[in-house]
Order: sequence, then C-alpha cells, then structure tokens
Amino acid sequence: NAGVTQTPKFQVLKTGQSMTLQCAQDMNHEYMSWYRQDPGMGLRLIHYSVGAGITDQGEVPNGYNVSRSTTEDFPLRLLSAAPSQTSVYFCASRSWGTEAFFGQGTRLTVV
Amino acid sequence: AQSVSQHNHHVILSEAASLELGCNYSYGGTVNLFWYVQYPGQHLQLLLKYFSGDPLVKGIKGFEAEFIKSKFSFNLRKPSVQWSDTAEYFCAVSNTGFQKLVFGTGTRLLVSP
Repeated sequence: NAGVTQTPKFQVLKTGQSMTLQCAQDMNHEYMSWYRQDPGMGLRLIHYSVGAGITDQGEVPNGYNVSRSTTEDFPLRLLSAAPSQTSVYFCASRSWGTEAFFGQGTRLTVV
Repeated sequence: AQSVSQHNHHVILSEAASLELGCNYSYGGTVNLFWYVQYPGQHLQLLLKYFSGDPLVKGIKGFEAEFIKSKFSFNLRKPSVQWSDTAEYFCAVSNTGFQKLVFGTGTRLLVSP
C-alpha cells in the first residue's frame, strides 16, 4: 500500500533556483493539498485541489504554483526559491468524508 | 474563514499522569474535527476523528476527545500517558462542504519516564 508518496525527501536549493516537489497518491482521492510546517506555526495550507483541473489557494500561496492534471498527481512548484521557503513540506490527500492521509514530507533548505 | 486554536504549546508530564490538550475552532457551520499526532521525524498520523453522532470519540492508543458544540471545542484526553506518547499533537477542522483542512499550531508533549 503506497498511499501518498512524496519525492524528494531532502533537497537543498540556492536562492533563485526553481524546483518541483512531487506528490502522488494511489487511493483515488479527489482532494489533495500541500502544507508547509514551520516550528511554532503548525501546518499552513499552501494550495489545494478538489479534483483534476481544479486548484485553489490556501493561506500561504505566494511563491508556489500547483497544477492537477490527473487525480493521482499534485506537484508543487517553487518558482524562484527564497530562504523564507526553507521548511518541511507535506502533501495530503483525502476523499469526501474521510480523514487526510499524509506523505512522509520533504525537508527543503534554501541557502 | 476557519481557524483552530491550541492554547497549550508545550506540555511536560510524568508517566501515568493524565493529559488534556485544548482545541477550539472558529467556524459557524457543520464541521469535521480531527486530532493528528506527529512523532519525531515522522509524518502526521490520525489519532481520532469526529464527523457526527456520539460527541465522545475514542481513538487509537487510549486517546479520546469530546466535541462540545456550544463551546466550539474538541479537547483531547488520555487518562494515563506513557513515555512513548512524546510527540507533537495537532487539532484540525474542515468544513463538510469544501474539504479544506485547517490545522492548529500544535502542542509539543514531553513525557518523562
């Protein structure tokens, strides 16, 4: 049972570089989301999607893009990395009326 | 907009002590409520959830939570904690319509043996 798979687990970027965090789920969940976790701030919602082709912004969307071309995949793109984007990123998926299932996280450092 | 408040940021207990972590949410409609746990270096795992019915919800590892609608609260309890309960605990709420899940800032629990 793969569940929610995130890659990579660790990444170091230089300021200004771009990259894509991958997230895939094999549970046929309609709803997927990206969070960032920072000490003392809990999990903050970056972007979410309620189905293929539909995305919306969360609390902290600036500097991030998403797309949802398939039900399974929900990549998060950092357009021009900044040190303030150093964080742990979690992808989650859920179906209507269920709890969210989380990936293992990506620890990103921007230097 | 939904919001979640967890008033205890750090809690230190001895083994066998009782635990209660507070969670209050702000949302006027029908909500789904969750408690998640994050052990050091791991991802979030579900402890328990409330969707409807009995407001006293039992979860895994002896945890329970009580939904009090009039107080907009969903406090987490455990009668006797163990050293292995050392972790960070997150309360979360979603509205039943749009499925957006909002988290509190978390409570770090340290249980000393």
